[in-house]
Amino acid sequence: RKEVEQDPGPFNVPEGATVAFNCTYSNSASQSFFWYRQDCRKEPKLLMSVYSSGNEDGRFTAQLNRASQYISLLIRDSKLSDSATYLCVVNGVTGGFKTIFGAGTRLFVKA
Amino acid sequence: GEEVAQTPKHLVRGEGQKAKLYCAPIKGHSYVFWYQQVLKNEFKFLISFQNENVFDETGMPKERFSAKCLPNSPCSLEIQATKLEDSAVYFCASSQRQVTGELFFGEGSRLTVL
Repeated sequence: RKEVEQDPGPFNVPEGATVAFNCTYSNSASQSFFWYRQDCRKEPKLLMSVYSSGNEDGRFTAQLNRASQYISLLIRDSKLSDSATYLCVVNGVTGGFKTIFGAGTRLFVKA
Repeated sequence: GEEVAQTPKHLVRGEGQKAKLYCAPIKGHSYVFWYQQVLKNEFKFLISFQNENVFDETGMPKERFSAKCLPNSPCSLEIQATKLEDSAVYFCASSQRQVTGELFFGEGSRLTVL
């Protein structure tokens, strides 16, 4: 089983739609959680950190459920510019501190 | 510098040749990470450093891959005797803190092994 699992998609949604991604992680000792965004052929960039209390940044909301070991990202009012791959990232201890990336969820927002 | 600088952007090598990639982390960042991304698939962790010390090397294929972060020099990732399956984009990232810190990525070095 992979340490961090995501649905690869692709998710094809119209502009203005609400879309949600989930991510599960296997290591219960994981300590910090993030969503990164990767545009085609570019480096990943931090979208937001994820906290147990949940956090919101404009149209983006992230949630962490430690009991069930999953992380979610909700995008409201999708824009064409939201088209990208969304990477779930988990920091934990697996034989040493390590940052593990999920395989990413591909999102296409169409006009 | 204010951003992670990776060189070269593109590198082409014949099978069996050596490849060396460089990464200058953001000034003041103590942690450096190397990742391999094959064909836009998932990121494979290779190695991390805390300053010039190896922090975690559990992802490194030890036979042909090596990496260093020496004081006052860019970090480097070297592949001896490259194989076709080494073709990938190699991303370097730096961070101020290991566990909770944001990773700042360089633009990556695309290695093509022919």
